[in-house]
Amino acid sequence: AQTVTQSQPEMSVQEAETVTLSCTYDTSESDYYLFWYKQPPSRQMILVIRQEAYKQQNATENRFSVNFQKAAKSFSLKISDSQLGDAAMYFCAYRNYNQGGKLIFGQGTELSVKP
Amino acid sequence: NAGVTQTPKFRILKIGQSMTLQCTQDMNHNYMYWYRQDPGMGLKLIYYSVGAGITDKGEVPNGYNVSRSTTEDFPLRLELAAPSQTSVYFCASSYLGPPDTEAFFGQGTRLTVV
Repeated sequence: AQTVTQSQPEMSVQEAETVTLSCTYDTSESDYYLFWYKQPPSRQMILVIRQEAYKQQNATENRFSVNFQKAAKSFSLKISDSQLGDAAMYFCAYRNYNQGGKLIFGQGTELSVKP
Repeated sequence: NAGVTQTPKFRILKIGQSMTLQCTQDMNHNYMYWYRQDPGMGLKLIYYSVGAGITDKGEVPNGYNVSRSTTEDFPLRLELAAPSQTSVYFCASSYLGPPDTEAFFGQGTRLTVV
């Protein structure tokens, strides 16, 4: 069974600095998708960035980028120029074509941003 | 542009009561999911559906039932509510396959069982 592990329950970053959130996963599949979701106090689940496993190039969305290491099964999220609005819970998630395409989530990392 | 709509947003149930959490999506997605999120935790899959008439259990299905009679609706039924079912429930929907792989989530339902 696939699993997703986020080993950092809490992280803190100074405003305007850079922070990296870690995620590892376990799968025997070769084709899959990886996601980072942001959950602010409003509870809304917001997609931050996604990565297709068949793409070697790391995904980037403005200040957010990933370091995807397929062989190591690692998928970290880098937030550059951190802003107060980035404070939230961040979830790493895995998805493949089998088993109904269900999303499997990590335990989450709570990010705080200090002014 | 409603997306995924969940009702109600909040509910308090007494132990042993039953209720249905409603979920509707207007994006013609074939995949739909129900998750629960306990405080400070990640999301755990309760049930999912790959299309109308097809449902399957997820990681934590005990105490819940679902049905999928239409593409749009995927209600979650709680029978004989227990305090352990106090949680936030999320419904999600999606396609699967490039380029559409993103799951869209409802706003969540906060359920308290007392």
